[in-house]
Amino acid sequence: DQQVKQNSPSLSVQEGRISILNCDYTNSMFDYFLWYKKYPAEGPTFLISISSIKDKNEDGRFTVFLNKSAKHLSLHIVPSQPGDSAVYFCAASAKGAGKSTFGDGTTLTVKP
Amino acid sequence: DGGITQSPKYLFRKEGQNVTLSCEQNLNHDAMYWYRQDPGQGLRLIYYSQIVNDFQKGDIAEGYSVSREKKESFPLTVTSAQKNPTAFYLCASSRVSVTGELFFGEGSRLTVL
Repeated sequence: DQQVKQNSPSLSVQEGRISILNCDYTNSMFDYFLWYKKYPAEGPTFLISISSIKDKNEDGRFTVFLNKSAKHLSLHIVPSQPGDSAVYFCAASAKGAGKSTFGDGTTLTVKP
Repeated sequence: DGGITQSPKYLFRKEGQNVTLSCEQNLNHDAMYWYRQDPGQGLRLIYYSQIVNDFQKGDIAEGYSVSREKKESFPLTVTSAQKNPTAFYLCASSRVSVTGELFFGEGSRLTVL
């Protein structure tokens, strides 16, 4: 049973527009959520995170929203840039678990 | 510069051979992890260690083994018992904290011929 799901394998947006990447989870014990960005043949790099005590966290062009009742989070990128083209992974962890569970990723393509 | 170094970057192996992937970190992180990525899939946890001389199985530990004799090092051995070892392997480390933010290496691509 996949506990973290990213239902859209790919997303294509125009440069300057908003990119919205979605993630759903099933484990109610998850209390910390992270987004990572990955380029081909490289390791993922941390992008932004949010604790379950918050419903929004913003860092520059990146904003993560958390809806605990729906067990849903989303990453907004505004404005999108061609350099944002990458695979984005959603991950979740539970306090004390010592490990993160990842979704399958969404490939974002930002067209000039 | 601080970071995580994985080696080799590319590795070819014949069926039936064991192979060991190296992972070294100089971030002074307590926790280290091994993930596997297959095409179109997410990262699946193989093994993790939160302290020296201790490690736990992840979701797909069968056919793999690890050791954690030093804080800086967490090598992964892919044994002949692993039925489908061709994959991209990622090592990561983190501070043991509530945030769980992972720092990843560049990855090792293993191909079984």
